[in-house]
Amino acid sequence: EAQVTQNPRYLITVTGKKLTVTCSQNMNHEYMSWYRQDPGLGLRQIYYSMNVEVTDKGDVPEGYKVSRKEKRNFPLILESPSPNQTSLYFCASSLADTGVYEQYFGPGTRLTVT
Amino acid sequence: AQSVAQPEDQVNVAEGNPLTVKCTYSVSGNPYLFWYVQYPNRGLQFLLKYITGDNLVKGSYGFEAEFNKSQTSFHLKKPSALVSDSALYFCAVISTNTDKLIFGTGTRLQVFP
Repeated sequence: EAQVTQNPRYLITVTGKKLTVTCSQNMNHEYMSWYRQDPGLGLRQIYYSMNVEVTDKGDVPEGYKVSRKEKRNFPLILESPSPNQTSLYFCASSLADTGVYEQYFGPGTRLTVT
Repeated sequence: AQSVAQPEDQVNVAEGNPLTVKCTYSVSGNPYLFWYVQYPNRGLQFLLKYITGDNLVKGSYGFEAEFNKSQTSFHLKKPSALVSDSALYFCAVISTNTDKLIFGTGTRLQVFP
């Protein structure tokens, strides 16, 4: 089954404790992206990657890191999480770029930073 | 700057009635427009898209959307709403001049029995 998986689905952590949210897709998609969803703000892009070893900042990259060492994986790293990063995070992938291809979304990771 | 507006936070409609969820956009260049739906505790699912061609596009679950260039709108419609259509709907746009997909803030659709 074609899908985007994220782990963990739920995470509660404390300020400053490094964490990684994994994202993996099995569709051989070139493009992958991370979004955060906050009430009243919709989805905002954090980082995206056009292909292996190619990453770019989205609209809200501060406090986040990503890497794209393999085509299927695109982990999101919070080196020193803060409460304002409490949010619902989605990973997405698509063929090539987003211009004409719809994105496939993972189930989401709900992160709480205390 | 590229932007998407969904002017209604919530739309309420009775089952069986037609529904419309509004979306307007602002881009430089030609727009590519998308609608996504999010059911509770799920990720976003693609509904439909406009790239070029016929202004009326049909998508999943009986939804359709009409691209109106003069009004810069891409409203989502369905002739007869179902209770199971209740969800959060997002409009998104990308233009031929950029490589970033921008989402609206979402509209919650509530269909009452």
